[in-house]
Amino acid sequence: EADIYQTPRYLVIGTGKKITLECSQTMGHDKMYWYQQDPGMELHLIHYSYGVNSTEKGDLSSESTVSRIRTEHFPLTLESARPSHTSQYLCASSESPDPTVIGTGNIQYFGAGTRLSVL
Amino acid sequence: DAKTTQPNSMESNEEEPVHLPCNHSTISGTDYIHWYRQLPSQGPEYVIHGLTSNVNNRMASLAIAEDRKSSTLILHRATLRDAAVYYCILRDVRDAGGTSYGKLTFGQGTILTVHP
Repeated sequence: EADIYQTPRYLVIGTGKKITLECSQTMGHDKMYWYQQDPGMELHLIHYSYGVNSTEKGDLSSESTVSRIRTEHFPLTLESARPSHTSQYLCASSESPDPTVIGTGNIQYFGAGTRLSVL
Repeated sequence: DAKTTQPNSMESNEEEPVHLPCNHSTISGTDYIHWYRQLPSQGPEYVIHGLTSNVNNRMASLAIAEDRKSSTLILHRATLRDAAVYYCILRDVRDAGGTSYGKLTFGQGTILTVHP
């Protein structure tokens, strides 16, 4: 079972507010990811991290920012929420591969997601 | 990641086997075949993966064609809890330890409906 947690599960907030979506994992995984998913649509990678102090932009451009100060914590922040930010945000993590065992490090573990509505 | 093609939707009856197909005709020799599923209002969860040989685990079986251009996820006895979107994804084995960041590229997947 994966131990990756996202809070809050649901968030309804007004335009212009600053919000932080929390993601924590207790598996000691180096790699962490944020995906965005609109209802009935595909997941798109918006941020990822190789480890502490490492953050990179994903495939889909996003106005959000992330930080990785601790291995287990990968929060996502929106400085000024807008209705266009309404979506589901999913956090995931994966272990670093064992270089002696081919194919390891391939499995990603996902949190339950945060469903954000900006009014 | 190489592209995969899956049917948009499939239906099954409870306690019957379900065979979910995936075509990946441009698969390379270093691509693993991964399956994830996403239950309603949940994040995706890993189901199974394989390279060349058929694979079994407690959730499902993965049958891989000899030429690796297609694969089938098999749920041996579908339950109502198996109703989900099933994603077939190719992952280069070199991604895990190389310069790639190990992303998963999700397509539309197959919506599986299970009838009581």
